[in-house]
Amino acid sequence: QKEVEQNSGPLSVPEGAIASLNCTYSDRGSQSFFWYRQYSGKSPELIMSIYSNGDKEDGRFTAQLNKASQYVSLLIRDSQPSDSATYLCAAVPGGGADGLTFGKGTHLIIQP
Amino acid sequence: DAGITQSPRYKITETGRQVTLMCHQTWSHSYMFWYRQDLGHGLRLIYYSAAADITDKGEVPDGYVVSRSKTENFPLTLESATRSQTSVYFCASSGVNYGYTFGSGTRLTVV
Repeated sequence: QKEVEQNSGPLSVPEGAIASLNCTYSDRGSQSFFWYRQYSGKSPELIMSIYSNGDKEDGRFTAQLNKASQYVSLLIRDSQPSDSATYLCAAVPGGGADGLTFGKGTHLIIQP
Repeated sequence: DAGITQSPRYKITETGRQVTLMCHQTWSHSYMFWYRQDLGHGLRLIYYSAAADITDKGEVPDGYVVSRSKTENFPLTLESATRSQTSVYFCASSGVNYGYTFGSGTRLTVV
């Protein structure tokens, strides 16, 4: 079964520090990866996508992909209390059309 | 308004009743999806559709029926609701890059 694994947390990070969120996936055919943020009681919202090995930066967010290790990460610099949420990692299964496979999410708490 | 809308936001129904959850998107996205989200399981794919009149099963399709006669609508029907179908249901749509946009969700309680 194709799986995306995340540590459920909670991950507690002081305000202003770097939050590091990690994700591993089992399907070697996966080529595209996404990070979603979900506030309590709300729907997930897309914050980053990454398709190639290496780093991709967007503002305070950096996504990292290592296909050889089947590892995806999200770094949040200068963490703010508003970043407190659950972060979902998702992968497109190999073969493409089956819909995203989501991890169960990491609950991030930014301590003021 | 542009976007993806789900209705109702909240629904309580009795075991054995038929329930339909509605999803409407205004972007003309080809792909639409239904997920359920449960504590301890995360988001699980129920059904998806690549275009009008094309639907396919996801990870947890049993007890659910979908249709897609128009590109913009993708209703999800629980034929005979069970307590195990108590969940939060999210509809999503995407263009070609798989960047999903989710609706606001329907919280369904089966009593």
